[in-house]
Amino acid sequence: AQSVTQPDIHITVSEGASLELRCNYSYGATPYLFWYVQSPGQGLQLLLKYFSGDTLVQGIKGFEAEFKRSQSSFNLRKPSVHWSDAAEYFCAVGPNYGGSQGNLIFGKGTKLSVKP
Amino acid sequence: DSGVTQTPKHLITATGQRVTLRCSPRSGDLSVYWYQQSLDQGLQFLIQYYNGEERAKGNILERFSAQQFPDLHSELNLSSLELGDSALYFCASSVLGSETQYFGPGTRLLVL
Repeated sequence: AQSVTQPDIHITVSEGASLELRCNYSYGATPYLFWYVQSPGQGLQLLLKYFSGDTLVQGIKGFEAEFKRSQSSFNLRKPSVHWSDAAEYFCAVGPNYGGSQGNLIFGKGTKLSVKP
Repeated sequence: DSGVTQTPKHLITATGQRVTLRCSPRSGDLSVYWYQQSLDQGLQFLIQYYNGEERAKGNILERFSAQQFPDLHSELNLSSLELGDSALYFCASSVLGSETQYFGPGTRLLVL
């Protein structure tokens, strides 16, 4: 079955510290991969996406993610966390075939708290 | 601002009632998706429309239905509402398929 696993429900880091959020997926073929962020009471904002090519992708707000096919992982990283990064982060996958059917499968999310 | 608009922002109603949620996709996007976000189920795909036609169905209850109009806006109809239908309902749009989907701000539904 297709699924996305984010093993960490809640992570707390100190401001200025580095961050890594984990994401593993189960899918028939290499899917499109996404990270979204949701601030309290807000919608989902796309941080970055992987379609093909370079396995290290850069996103907005200083985030990056690395696709590792052998581990079926797409972990999100940031070298130095800011207090404004406190939010919930969702990893998602979608079909990679260029057609018009494209619903995303989401992980349960990781809530990030930032200590001053 | 993603360019996707949803109305209303909040909705409070009673069990057994029917509500309609509205979504306007980004200009030029042909696909509209509906997702439900709840504490116990997380973000679940409900249904997708592409250029006016139903394209994919997920975990959508029979009490729920949707349509996409010629101007590409979409409506999600929820009927015979139950307490468990209380959730945040998101609309997303994309040009075609699962390449970048842009999400609206959501409609928070509370069923009392």
